[in-house]
Order: sequence, then C-alpha cells, then structure tokens
Amino acid sequence: QKEVEQNSGPLSVPEGAIASLNCTYSDRGSQSFFWYRQYSGKSPELIMSIYSNGDKEDGRFTAQLNKASQYVSLLIRDSQPSDSATYLCAVSPYGGATNKLIFGTGTLLAVQP
Amino acid sequence: GAVVSQHPSWVICKSGTSVKIECRSLDFQATTMFWYRQFPKKSLMLMATSNEGSKATYEQGVEKDKFLINHASLTLSTLTVTSAHPEDSSFYICSARDRGGANVLTFGAGSRLTVL
Repeated sequence: QKEVEQNSGPLSVPEGAIASLNCTYSDRGSQSFFWYRQYSGKSPELIMSIYSNGDKEDGRFTAQLNKASQYVSLLIRDSQPSDSATYLCAVSPYGGATNKLIFGTGTLLAVQP
Repeated sequence: GAVVSQHPSWVICKSGTSVKIECRSLDFQATTMFWYRQFPKKSLMLMATSNEGSKATYEQGVEKDKFLINHASLTLSTLTVTSAHPEDSSFYICSARDRGGANVLTFGAGSRLTVL
C-alpha cells in the first residue's frame, strides 16, 4: 500500500525562526510532490509543487526533494503566526497529469509570537 | 486562477436520508474530479475519481452504492451520500484539475456533513 508519512506534531517554532517540515513516501515510482496548507475547517491550499531532485524556492518557502531517499521537505523562513496551520504532504504515484494524490496525515505547525 | 465551487458548505441531516454535494469548476473544464473525505484530525482520504461521461472509479473500501458520483458535464460532479448514518459525518472535499492549465489540483472549500 502506498503511504506518505509525516510527523503529526505539533511543531512549535518562535516567530521569525525557520520551520522544517518533513515527509517520506513509500512508492519509489512517485513522480510529483506537493505541499498543501490547511487551516482548521478549511480545504487545503497549494503551497509548493516539486518534481525533480533538489531545492525549489518560492518566497519564504523552499521545498526539497530527494528521490533516492524518498524524502521531501518544506522549509518556511521567517515564520509568522499566520503560518500556523496543518501542512499536508501529497504525492502523486503517477507521472503525467492524472493527479491522483496520496496525502500524509499532516504536521501541525504552531508559530509562537 | 482556477476556482472550484462546492455546495453546500455544511449540511445537517437525519439518519437514513440522502445528501447531495455539488462540485463545480467555475472557469475551466474538468474531465476528472476527485472526491476526498477527511475525519477530524485525520488526513484526506481519496474516495473516488469522477470521470466526465463515464463511471467513477472508487478506492478500495469505498461503497459505490452508498456514495453515488455523477459527472454529467465538464464543469459539474456530484456526490450523493445515500441512506446516511452518523458514521458518514465528515468533511467532504472535491478537487479538479484544469486540463488546459497547470498540472495541479484545485480544491473546493469542502462540505461538512453531520448526520444526526
């Protein structure tokens, strides 16, 4: 069974610090990787997508992918209280555009002012 | 950007009744939509893949006769929870991909179902 694993947290960081969120996946053939942010009672919103090994930066967010280790991470620099949410790692086991996503259980991030 | 509208946002019903949830892509055509279910403090679990003009593909363990999916047009998919029971109470979320756009999913706002 294809699985996506995340530490449920909560991960507590002070305002202005770097938050590091980690995710591992079991299907070595996975092609596409996503980080979603979900506020309580709301639907997920896409933060980052990454498809190839290495780092991808977008503003305060950096996604890192290591397919050999089956590991993907999200770094949030200069964390703000508004970043407090559950961060979901999602993996697509297929290439192309099917977008059938397998989600991890999410990591709750709490940024302390 | 792509917008997915989901309705209703919340619904309360009596046990044994049926509830229909609609998912619309507002500014793009979606040949495929996905229905997820999320229990409190749990992650999203894919229930089924809704395909325009054909039968939905259900994930293992999801009862197709209980969760009826219809994808009659390129912009609308519906999920009907038939003979709902309290254990069906959950947050149901649809998502769709703009087939003409970026290779990412857009989620609806979700529908919170409470079965009494």
